[in-house]
Amino acid sequence: ELKVEQNPLFLSMQEGKNYTIYCNYSTTSDRLYWYRQDPGKSLESLFVLLSNGAVKQEGRLMASLDTKARLSTLHITAAVHDLSATYFCAVTNNAGNMLTFGGGTRLMVKP
Amino acid sequence: EPEVTQTPSHQVTQMGQEVILRCVPISNHLYFYWYRQILGQKVEFLVSFYNNEISEKSEIFDDQFSVERPDGSNFTLKIRSTKLEDSAMYFCASSEAGTYQPQHFGDGTRLSIL
Repeated sequence: ELKVEQNPLFLSMQEGKNYTIYCNYSTTSDRLYWYRQDPGKSLESLFVLLSNGAVKQEGRLMASLDTKARLSTLHITAAVHDLSATYFCAVTNNAGNMLTFGGGTRLMVKP
Repeated sequence: EPEVTQTPSHQVTQMGQEVILRCVPISNHLYFYWYRQILGQKVEFLVSFYNNEISEKSEIFDDQFSVERPDGSNFTLKIRSTKLEDSAMYFCASSEAGTYQPQHFGDGTRLSIL
């Protein structure tokens, strides 16, 4: 059974600071996704990571994938209040498109 | 930008009643999905649908659940006899053809079972 663990579950940080969210998964997978969810809203696709060593950046967010360690990171650079949301990583089983989600990291950026 | 739309946004139903949740996926997408998120918990996969049939389903998706694509645009999730534990946010998603395409999610339907 594929398991996906995120940490931390909750992160409160000051604007301007850097931090990293970690996503570990239990079995091999060829696809890892990061999503953002605002309260009461849908899941917005942020990144798709497909290969070992993949790195993608969008604004203040950078995601990376290490398939050997079964680890993905989401790095936040110089956080701003608008980044406050819950961030989920999700992994597919190699056979299909079923997404298994981590528990989410609730990020709160304080002015 | 095209988006997945879901109706209703909130559904309140008595336990034991049938409920149908509706979704309009993005028009050129070929894969359709339902997920649910119980309040405060992680998002859980229910079912995926491709080429007019179920391609994958989870243990949650038991005989009480069914999906249908009744026409060229709608994708529905039916729960035959709702239970209290079915209370959750239900998300529909769709994706383009191709294994690595991201799934695009709707805003969800909050289902409350009384």
